[in-house]
Amino acid sequence: GAGVSQSPSNKVTEKGKDVELRCDPISGHTALYWYRQSLGQGLEFLIYFQGNSAPDKSGLPSDRFSAERTGGSVSTLTIQRTQQEDSAVYLCASSLAGGASNYGYTFGSGTRLTVV
Amino acid sequence: GIQVEQSPPDLILQEGANSTLRCNFSDSVNNLQWFHQNPWGQLINLFYIPSGTKQNGRLSATTVATERYSLLYISSSQTTDSGVYFCAVKAGGYQKVTFGTGTKLQVIP
Repeated sequence: GAGVSQSPSNKVTEKGKDVELRCDPISGHTALYWYRQSLGQGLEFLIYFQGNSAPDKSGLPSDRFSAERTGGSVSTLTIQRTQQEDSAVYLCASSLAGGASNYGYTFGSGTRLTVV
Repeated sequence: GIQVEQSPPDLILQEGANSTLRCNFSDSVNNLQWFHQNPWGQLINLFYIPSGTKQNGRLSATTVATERYSLLYISSSQTTDSGVYFCAVKAGGYQKVTFGTGTKLQVIP
């Protein structure tokens, strides 16, 4: 597609429920990144995909968080048993390549998650 | 990991004024980007500038990699320039890009 698409744009969920956030990167972008931004804060790295594999999962805050990428394209970030502290905007970015290559990121509009 | 500090943290400008935003980083980098996050939360890539100088309209950026800093210049500021400006870097073999704390800019008419 023309840009990075994220869905849903907004999600309100009850504490303890599972949620899935979706990211559709720019066609041909092999690198995909998930970040989290709490209200008024900077961006916190969660996970990086190169193709379908995740060489860097160091930012996932707990084992309740997982992510996968299929077909070198769409990625899903899953949060199990959501907690109020999970409330944030979840941002996805893609780039032409990752690892040792260096290209600029293109971000999606984000998913605003509110856990009540 | 690499530390990224931005200054000033907050800035208020009168429309038409010029400004310089600074990004300092603690290690050698091979990737540096400047982003603008508008009041609606959308992040826009302004520059990919690991070294040297680039210009795009009223914006320009300079990175002096050997001295571990980058500058973003905004000339003739407009209200639409309001938002948060982030510097983001990648160092050595690290896969992820680390974001700075941001500069919140408000341009008033």
